Amino acid sequence: GQQVMQIPQYQHVQEGEDFTTYCNSSTTLSNIQWYKQRPGGHPVFLIQLVKSGEVKKQKRLTFQFGEAKKNSSLHITATQTTDVGTYFCAGSGAGSYQLTFGKGTKLSVIP
Amino acid sequence: DAGVIQSPRHEVTEMGQEVTLRCKPISGHNSLFWYRQTMMRGLELLIYFNNNVPIDDSGMPEDRFSAKMPNASFSTLKIQPSEPRDSAVYFCASSLFPATYEQYFGPGTRLTVT
Repeated sequence: GQQVMQIPQYQHVQEGEDFTTYCNSSTTLSNIQWYKQRPGGHPVFLIQLVKSGEVKKQKRLTFQFGEAKKNSSLHITATQTTDVGTYFCAGSGAGSYQLTFGKGTKLSVIP
Repeated sequence: DAGVIQSPRHEVTEMGQEVTLRCKPISGHNSLFWYRQTMMRGLELLIYFNNNVPIDDSGMPEDRFSAKMPNASFSTLKIQPSEPRDSAVYFCASSLFPATYEQYFGPGTRLTVT
């Protein structure tokens, strides 16, 4: 079955430093979504990427979908304490109803 | 919109007891998902409903787990009998369409089985 691997599992950064999490799929994806889960909270949708090589930005967050549509990344510039949480990628294959979630990257920001 | 509503938010029960978790999806969404989240296994899809019909329950751990969706605005996940290894946070999520639209998660039910 489809597997989505996410690295790193944990990341501790000083406030103001950049942060990147990477997502790799065992199969080609039709789309990839990113979610953020605050401590004690529930996953909240951030963005969806569908095109090969697509890059989207949300303020300090930059999302990228690989050319082969098998990998993706999320980069946060100049982290803030409000960025704390776990970031999940979730992908689906062509014709699939199912989103497969990665294990997530837990981001801690040291003020 | 109130978002996805789940109840109870916390449930503590003894091993062997029946547990029922409830979910009200966002009005107009035709897809509903039940997930389980643990530290060890992450976020796992248990079952998916489309237009109130169970489409894939391959993620349901075993026969002790069952889920129903009697109408478009209500779903239940039942565990009978419960075991300590069922302790987890259970999320319900709804979507306009299975995989091409974002999923809206409820606040979750934290289940502890002692």
